[in-house]
Amino acid sequence: GQQVMQIPQYQHVQEGEDFTTYCNSSTTLSNIQWYKQRPGGHPVFLIQLVKSGEVKKQKRLTFQFGEAKKNSSLHITATQTTDVGTYFCAGDSSYKLIFGSGTRLLVRP
Amino acid sequence: DTGVSQNPRHKITKRGQNVTFRCDPISEHNRLYWYRQTLGQGPEFLTYFQNEAQLEKSRLLSDRFSAERPKGSFSTLEIQRTEQGDSAMYLCASSLALGRNTEAFFGQGTRLTVV
Repeated sequence: GQQVMQIPQYQHVQEGEDFTTYCNSSTTLSNIQWYKQRPGGHPVFLIQLVKSGEVKKQKRLTFQFGEAKKNSSLHITATQTTDVGTYFCAGDSSYKLIFGSGTRLLVRP
Repeated sequence: DTGVSQNPRHKITKRGQNVTFRCDPISEHNRLYWYRQTLGQGPEFLTYFQNEAQLEKSRLLSDRFSAERPKGSFSTLEIQRTEQGDSAMYLCASSLALGRNTEAFFGQGTRLTVV
């Protein structure tokens, strides 16, 4: 079955440092989505990427979708304490969303 | 609040008992998902509905789990003969699958503890 892998599992950074999480699917995706989950909360949608090679930006966040539509990345520039949480990618294939295991971001003030 | 609503928020049950959870999606959303999440893990896909049709059920899901979505509105997830390994957060999400946009909105979840 379809699998979505995400690395690293944890990232502990100093406030102001950059952060990147990588996502890789075992199958070609129709689109990929990114979600953020704060401690004790539920996943909240951040963005969806559809096109091969697509790059989207949201303020300090940059999302990329690979050319083969099997991998993706999320990069945060100059992290802030408000960025703390777990970031999940979710691959959409055959009309269901399969989530990666997430990357937990901790930010030292 | 017109978001996804899940009830109950917490459920403690004895091993062997049956439990049922309810999810009310955003009203115009045609797609509904059930996920299970344990500490430190990503949401694990259980099943999903397109309107009232259950289109797929995870192979990891035992026959003790069943879900329904009568009339394509709210959904219920039932777990029969609960086991301690069923303890987890059960998340429901809905989306308006229109064209390529499949953004999912999650409810707050039902936390199940089997003792």
